[in-house]
Amino acid sequence: GDSVTQMEGPVTLSEEAFLTINCTYTATGYPSLFWYVQYPGEGLQLLLKATKADDKGSNKGFEATYRKETTSFHLEKGSVQVSDSAVYFCALSDPGGSNYKLTFGKGTLLTVNP
Amino acid sequence: EPEVTQTPSHQVTQMGQEVILRCVPISNHLYFYWYRQILGQKVEFLVSFYNNEISEKSEIFDDQFSVERPDGSNFTLKIRSTKLEDSAMYFCASSEAGSLMGNIQYFGAGTRLSVL
Repeated sequence: GDSVTQMEGPVTLSEEAFLTINCTYTATGYPSLFWYVQYPGEGLQLLLKATKADDKGSNKGFEATYRKETTSFHLEKGSVQVSDSAVYFCALSDPGGSNYKLTFGKGTLLTVNP
Repeated sequence: EPEVTQTPSHQVTQMGQEVILRCVPISNHLYFYWYRQILGQKVEFLVSFYNNEISEKSEIFDDQFSVERPDGSNFTLKIRSTKLEDSAMYFCASSEAGSLMGNIQYFGAGTRLSVL
């Protein structure tokens, strides 16, 4: 079945450091890929998405590129801020398996210190 | 900005009791979902709902679970007889269309269910 594996946390960085959170996936079809973010006390918010190979999703300085050859969708940001502290979830939606559900990774807690 | 609203934010119940978790999806959305996250584990799909019926459900969603859209605005998840292992954060989500079109699912803040 479909699965998403993302880097174990927690990740602790200093402000302005470079961030990478790794995400790899297994899917039966040709999935769409997503990064969701959950700030403390809030729901999951879509951060960015990519729907086909080599697409780059970007938002708020975060980027991720859909790499079909390595089945990866790593999240990066060049210079993190304290306000980026949150839990980040990688997810996929696979039309080959199911037309509806999202399959999530375990989540990675990011803490950015001033 | 429109948002998905879930109530209550925290529900405490005794084992064997029935609970109803409530959600108000975004008004023009057609697809509705429930997910749950047991502490320290992955967010797991429970059920999707479209056109007043379940379109898909996971193995977790057994006979103890049911969903309903009673009045055109609310979307509820009922657990008939709660077990200790039902303790989790439950997330409601909605989307304009099914994920096949790459549409975005919008999530509520979740209801933390604690079964004692």
